[in-house]
Amino acid sequence: DIQMTQSPSTLSASVGDRVTITCRASQSISAWLAWYQQKPGKAPRLLIYKASSLESGVPSRFSGSGSGTEFTLTISSLQPDDFATYYCQQYKSYYTFGQGTKLESK
Amino acid sequence: QLQLQESGSGLVKPSQTLSLTCAVSGGSISSGAYSWSWIRQPPGKGLEWIGYIYHTGSTYYNPSLESRVTISIDRSKNQFSLKLTSVTAADTAVYYCARGVTAPTYFDYWGQGTVVTVSS
Repeated sequence: DIQMTQSPSTLSASVGDRVTITCRASQSISAWLAWYQQKPGKAPRLLIYKASSLESGVPSRFSGSGSGTEFTLTISSLQPDDFATYYCQQYKSYYTFGQGTKLESK
Repeated sequence: QLQLQESGSGLVKPSQTLSLTCAVSGGSISSGAYSWSWIRQPPGKGLEWIGYIYHTGSTYYNPSLESRVTISIDRSKNQFSLKLTSVTAADTAVYYCARGVTAPTYFDYWGQGTVVTVSS
């Protein structure tokens, strides 16, 4: 199994901040990584696929980078609507998700 | 706009079988470009992929659940279904259906989710 580990588990930030979330894979997954945003009581929403490709309709303040075993999701200027939990997901071998990073208001 | 909608029993007794259906609208489940998955989320926890099915009927399951899972497809009704046998309290979760884009895959459309509680 490929394990996905996100850090931090919780992140406190303010509107306008630049925010970075890290996801590490237990083995190389090339660029087979997606990022999702989930709000309470809602289904996850796809943000990024293939490590750095922005899903249609997702604001350009979201960006992804990385390959191999280390990946980042960056929000360039945090907006009020961005407070949520973020998950990474590998799709190199079957599909596993990180444990999530809760982005909360400072 | 593609929409997915889960339905099924919200309360299942231990040792019994959980059954859910995902109705797809706004697109054909028979498209060869996509796979159709079930994913679950226990209360307060992260996401776990259960398995997926192609329009051909080919299935792929999470090895940790494979012995208890069956996913099937009904092209005439544009829907797919999940059966999970011998459930325990650990199977209590929100269950989502989702569309996967080709393979390997990420999930671009999700249902709203349905709560399933395993309790006597």
